[in-house]
Amino acid sequence: DTAVSQTPKYLVTQMGNDKSIKCEQNLGHDTMYWYKQDSKKFLKIMFSYNNKELIINETVPNRFSPKSPDKAHLNLHINSLELGDSAVYFCASSQSIGAVKNIQYFGAGTRLSVL
Amino acid sequence: EDQVTQSPEALRLQEGESSSLNCSYTVSGLRGLFWYRQDPGKGPEFLFTLYSAGEEKEKERLKATLTKKESFLHITAPKPEDSATYLCAVQVTGGGNKLTFGTGTQLKVEL
Repeated sequence: DTAVSQTPKYLVTQMGNDKSIKCEQNLGHDTMYWYKQDSKKFLKIMFSYNNKELIINETVPNRFSPKSPDKAHLNLHINSLELGDSAVYFCASSQSIGAVKNIQYFGAGTRLSVL
Repeated sequence: EDQVTQSPEALRLQEGESSSLNCSYTVSGLRGLFWYRQDPGKGPEFLFTLYSAGEEKEKERLKATLTKKESFLHITAPKPEDSATYLCAVQVTGGGNKLTFGTGTQLKVEL
């Protein structure tokens, strides 16, 4: 059983297109995150949701819109894709924000290539 | 601004040759320091969390330690399967649980 699963694993698209990445977790966690890993392998937080409520929005262009239909799912929609959006996007989840031990578990990543 | 710096960027070891990876941090208030392992094409895999200076955690050939300024990941008698990128991250008080990562140390263990 995969704890945090993302689809698709690979996404190749043209500049200007709109695309979505889906994430689901079966760990019963309340908090979910999106991170971006650039070509130098640097991981940076983009968003976090706690029980469907947006908690963190780290100066990400508004072309990126996260949506959380329920606390087990956090999707990422990207409008008008640009070359600089090419990266690996990771979804993660953890227990609720107030939990003492707050370990984040990551999905396998979605490699987005914008041509 | 919270900062995490890892060194070295890359490390090549012979099997059985012990060494240490460094993670130095500058934060407003540390809530926890995390070590992850990342294999090529995969997501980060949780290894350890350390919460206060002086704390140590061990798992197989790995041991993580924490001071007020830095953390070390000691690798004892490494094997080729320990080859991976090791990521350090901090979580700060009032930071909403986000992890601020370092740029990682790419470890290669050769026979």
